[in-house]
Amino acid sequence: QKEVEQNSGPLSVPEGAIASLNCTYSDRVSQSFFWYRQYSGKSPELIMSIYSNGDKEDGRFTAQLNKASQYVSLLIRDSQPSDSATYLCATTYSSASKIIFGSGTRLSIRP
Amino acid sequence: GAVVSQHPSWVICKSGTSVKIECRSLDFQATTMFWYRQFPKQSLMLMATSNEGSKATYEQGVEKDKFLINHASLTLSTLTVTSAHPEDSSFYICSASSETNYGYTFGSGTRLTVV
Repeated sequence: QKEVEQNSGPLSVPEGAIASLNCTYSDRVSQSFFWYRQYSGKSPELIMSIYSNGDKEDGRFTAQLNKASQYVSLLIRDSQPSDSATYLCATTYSSASKIIFGSGTRLSIRP
Repeated sequence: GAVVSQHPSWVICKSGTSVKIECRSLDFQATTMFWYRQFPKQSLMLMATSNEGSKATYEQGVEKDKFLINHASLTLSTLTVTSAHPEDSSFYICSASSETNYGYTFGSGTRLTVV
């Protein structure tokens, strides 16, 4: 079983709609969770980090964490064509620990 | 915010030669640096973790004698691909973290092509 699992997609969402990206993880000792966005040929950029159960909002992005279900999600409101990218879910135990990435979900926002 | 500079952004080298990639944390001290490799349409694969002043910890299946990692200071780590072959062609990315910078900032990546 993979440590961090994501649906590879592609996920196609109309412009202006809400894009919902999901991720599950297997290691219960995971403490920190991250969502990265990666454009083709570029390195990942951090969008959101979340450490405690519940929702965390930042602009159009909302991260949701449920440690009991070992589930983390990312919602993108008012989706824009520029949001089209691969979104990587990641988890780690501490700042010195290696970060474990999911395989990524390809998101496509159609005009 | 935290910035990690990675050079070169791309390099083409002949088979059998060695290539060095640098990763620098510009505005923070990186206690830990990570090196990843990414093949087309695949996710990031962690190659090794390095802590300043100590030997790198390599992931299973990564040849430590082929991929030499040096983390001599809190702001600089280097990856040297020795005796490169075409199958080493990939996108190499570093990231850095510290006790205060918890977001694992990534460098811009290095596209290596071995011909």
